Amino acid sequence: KNQVEQSPQSLIILEGKNCTLQCNYTVSPFSNLRWYKQDTGRGPVSLTIMTFSENTKSNGRYTATLDADTKQSSLHITASQLSDSASYICVVSDRGSTLGRLYFGRGTQLTVWP
Amino acid sequence: EADIYQTPRYLVIGTGKKITLECSQTMGHDKMYWYQQDPGMELHLIHYSYGVNSTEKGDLSSESTVSRIRTEHFPLTLESARPSHTSQYLCASNANRESELSGNTIYFGEGSWLTVV
Repeated sequence: KNQVEQSPQSLIILEGKNCTLQCNYTVSPFSNLRWYKQDTGRGPVSLTIMTFSENTKSNGRYTATLDADTKQSSLHITASQLSDSASYICVVSDRGSTLGRLYFGRGTQLTVWP
Repeated sequence: EADIYQTPRYLVIGTGKKITLECSQTMGHDKMYWYQQDPGMELHLIHYSYGVNSTEKGDLSSESTVSRIRTEHFPLTLESARPSHTSQYLCASNANRESELSGNTIYFGEGSWLTVV
């Protein structure tokens, strides 16, 4: 069964600190993996997209890694800011259909305290 | 910045009422989607479209219906709302080309929060 599991479910850190969010998936055949940021009550916003051949990709203070062999990804946030408080969602796409099915994790709820 | 818009953002209606959630995008995308998301839970695909006059049901069974008469417009309709329909509905779109396999961006609207009382 194709699944996307994220950990931790929630995380609280102090402003300025770094953190790493994890995503494990069983989606096959794998096409790409995306990380989205979703503020409370808003729609998800794309942070990174990684394909099979990419191991790391950065977007400002966000760095995503992908290990396609172990089917694991991480999102590292550097020097956290209060505005980083949000849910971070891992989304994996398969290539077994024309649609390119998307499998969503439940997200990690990050809270940054001053 | 994504050019995909949803209205209304928030709606409280009584049981049995008919409602339509609007979704429009100005990016010329062929593929459009509707997702349902309960608080703290993952997104579930309820409808999608490859283009004009194309509509398909998603993974999660839904009593809602959709239409795609114009490329930019993908409204979702509930003929008779019930409390079980209370949820957040998210519209999304992306370009319909093979670059989907290499990961072109999917853009989401801000969501429509529906409460049925």
